[in-house]
Amino acid sequence: NAGVTQTPKFRILKIGQSMTLQCTQDMNHNYMYWYRQDPGMGLKLIYYSVGAGITDKGEVPNGYNVSRSTTEDFPLRLELAAPSQTSVYFCASSLAGGYNEQFFGPGTRLTVL
Amino acid sequence: GENVEQHPSTLSVQEGDSAVIKCTYSDSASNYFPWYKQELGKGPQLIIDIRSNVGEKKDQRIAVTLNKTAKHFSLHITETQPEDSAVYFCAASISSNDYKLSFGAGTTVTVRA
Repeated sequence: NAGVTQTPKFRILKIGQSMTLQCTQDMNHNYMYWYRQDPGMGLKLIYYSVGAGITDKGEVPNGYNVSRSTTEDFPLRLELAAPSQTSVYFCASSLAGGYNEQFFGPGTRLTVL
Repeated sequence: GENVEQHPSTLSVQEGDSAVIKCTYSDSASNYFPWYKQELGKGPQLIIDIRSNVGEKKDQRIAVTLNKTAKHFSLHITETQPEDSAVYFCAASISSNDYKLSFGAGTTVTVRA
C-alpha cells in the first residue's frame, strides 16, 4: 500500500491564481482531512469528509473548497490564492472517526507571492 | 472549541537522558489524546495515544500520562536516541466530535550525541 499520497510536493503561485492540491489514499478509509501547518502553530483543520459525497468545514475553511466524489480522492481547491495561504498542506485519512489513527501524507509546500 | 497548549516549544537533551513534553486542554469533555511525531520533510505519524479512562500508557521507551482533573497530559521519552530528534505534537478530541483533532503547536526535540 502506498498509503496517503499528495501532489505536487512544492508549488509557487502568484496572487490570484488558482490550483488544486491532490490527495489519494489506497487504504479504503472513510474519513479524509486537509490540514495546514504554519510555523509554530501546529496543524489546523481546513476541511474533512466522512465519506464519498460528504464534506464539511473545519477550523480554517475560508479561501478553500473540497470535493469527495470517490472514497480514494479528496482534492483541495484554492480559487484566488493569497499570501496568507502560504503554508504546508497535509492530507490525512482514517478508517473512521473517534479513536482511529489518522495517516498523513508527505505534504505540499505552497508559496503564494 | 478545544484549545490545546504545548510546552516547551523546543527541547534539547543529551543522548540517553529523558525528555518530557506537557500539554493542557480546555474542554473537559475531551476523551482521546494522541501524540504524533513529525520527522523533517515528512507528515506526522502517530506514536502513542491514550483514552480518558486510562491514566498511563507505555510502549517501550515512550509513555503518556493523563491527569483529567488538571486537564493535562504528558509524553515521556526515556533513554533518548538521535532518531528521537523530531517535532512532537499533542492533540485532543471529543468522541461526540470525533473527527476533529485539536493540535498543540509542537515541540522540537533535539537529541545531542
